[in-house]
Amino acid sequence: NAGVTQTPKFRILKIGQSMTLQCAQDMNHNYMYWYRQDPGMGLKLIYYSVGAGITDKGEVPNGYNVSRSTTEDFPLRLELAAPSQTSVYFCASSQWDTGNTIYFGEGSWLTVV
Amino acid sequence: DQQVKQNSPSLSVQEGRISILNCDYTNSMFDYFLWYKKYPAEGPTFLISISSIKDKNEDGRFTVFLNKSAKHLSLHIVPSQPGDSAVYFCAATVGDNNNDMRFGAGTRLTVKP
Repeated sequence: NAGVTQTPKFRILKIGQSMTLQCAQDMNHNYMYWYRQDPGMGLKLIYYSVGAGITDKGEVPNGYNVSRSTTEDFPLRLELAAPSQTSVYFCASSQWDTGNTIYFGEGSWLTVV
Repeated sequence: DQQVKQNSPSLSVQEGRISILNCDYTNSMFDYFLWYKKYPAEGPTFLISISSIKDKNEDGRFTVFLNKSAKHLSLHIVPSQPGDSAVYFCAATVGDNNNDMRFGAGTRLTVKP
């Protein structure tokens, strides 16, 4: 009964370092998403994918990259970490592109110092 | 550019009473609205939604009201239970399209026994 699994849960990065947030879903969903939530703000869409091999930018894509080589996995890459990327990151998936079908992961807390 | 605003960061109510969570939006193109609920250390989960062709949608103890002219929606929980204590996010989209969803910052509801 895993649903959407994100790793790591917590990470501290130094400025300029790179890292990948992993996301996997076992529900065979077509759509996958990465959101970030800054303190006192709502979730903002970083990137999304409508199927394997297809990705597209969301509202706040700068500083991030994604890939979707399989239906199950949707990793988020930070190439040169900046303090502005300190946030909570949520991966999500859905069978359709409708809001009432989105399943979120538990979140990954990232601090860039 | 906060297109969806939840102006109350927190709300505290007594068990058995009504909880009313409010949400305002600025984009008149939004035509589908959702509420998500989030417990600590978990991802948000879908709670209830409403289309702009309706002004009310009810699901058990949860009712969402939409006032299009005021660009305002509210979530009513009656009666409130301690298990309802969580952060509630309002979200809005055009055509129920996940890729265009905008979230409010959330309201933390505490229901006291």
